[in-house]
Amino acid sequence: QVQLQESGPGLLKPSETLSLTCIVSGYSITSHYYGGWIRQSPGKGLEWIGSIYYSGTTYYNPSLKSRVTISIDTSRNQFSLKLNSVTAADTAVYYCARQGVNGLSWFDPWGQGTLVAVSS
Amino acid sequence: QSALTQPPSASGSPGQSVTISCTGTTSDVGYYNYVSWYQQRPGKAPKLMIYEVTKRPSGVPDRFSGSKSGNTASLTVSGLQADDEADYYCSTYAGSDNLVFGGGTKLTVL
Repeated sequence: QVQLQESGPGLLKPSETLSLTCIVSGYSITSHYYGGWIRQSPGKGLEWIGSIYYSGTTYYNPSLKSRVTISIDTSRNQFSLKLNSVTAADTAVYYCARQGVNGLSWFDPWGQGTLVAVSS
Repeated sequence: QSALTQPPSASGSPGQSVTISCTGTTSDVGYYNYVSWYQQRPGKAPKLMIYEVTKRPSGVPDRFSGSKSGNTASLTVSGLQADDEADYYCSTYAGSDNLVFGGGTKLTVL
């Protein structure tokens, strides 16, 4: 059974760096799927953050690109998100998901999500 | 502002059909066949319902179907059930290594 689980701190101060890890089970991240990060601000819609292939190929949302780094650890079957210089606007539920083979298509399945709050 | 436009709400009675639209441009929905649809129940993670415009993942009832005409994609739910009440989001590849979502539609079963 394919499962993804986000982990990381739930509370940050402005200007800090958000760091989350997606732990993958049920399939190898070196198989021909991408891994993606998506977030959802409270009461709002979904926003794609970026995606990564096991080779290291990455795609980022242009609006976040200057602050985002996504990396992958094939030995641990996990991939990670870093978002620097966070503000209150980055408060959201962050999801990781397996993504279709071309890296810019469907997400399935999704992790349960983790709430990250940014507050002084 | 979301790149794809969805109606904020839609509704229907049990047994009826309802269609949710997702409007983009000639550069995204109109150009690529990578439209996906997700169902999100309150407090839960989104679930893939349709991918590549018309394809249904294993386990998704055939009451859910997808289509596209020009710059507008659509999700149709036939034989509406109370369990279908949720938020629905569309997404698509938008070119230049970018992926966008719609603003979401809240489906109410009357």
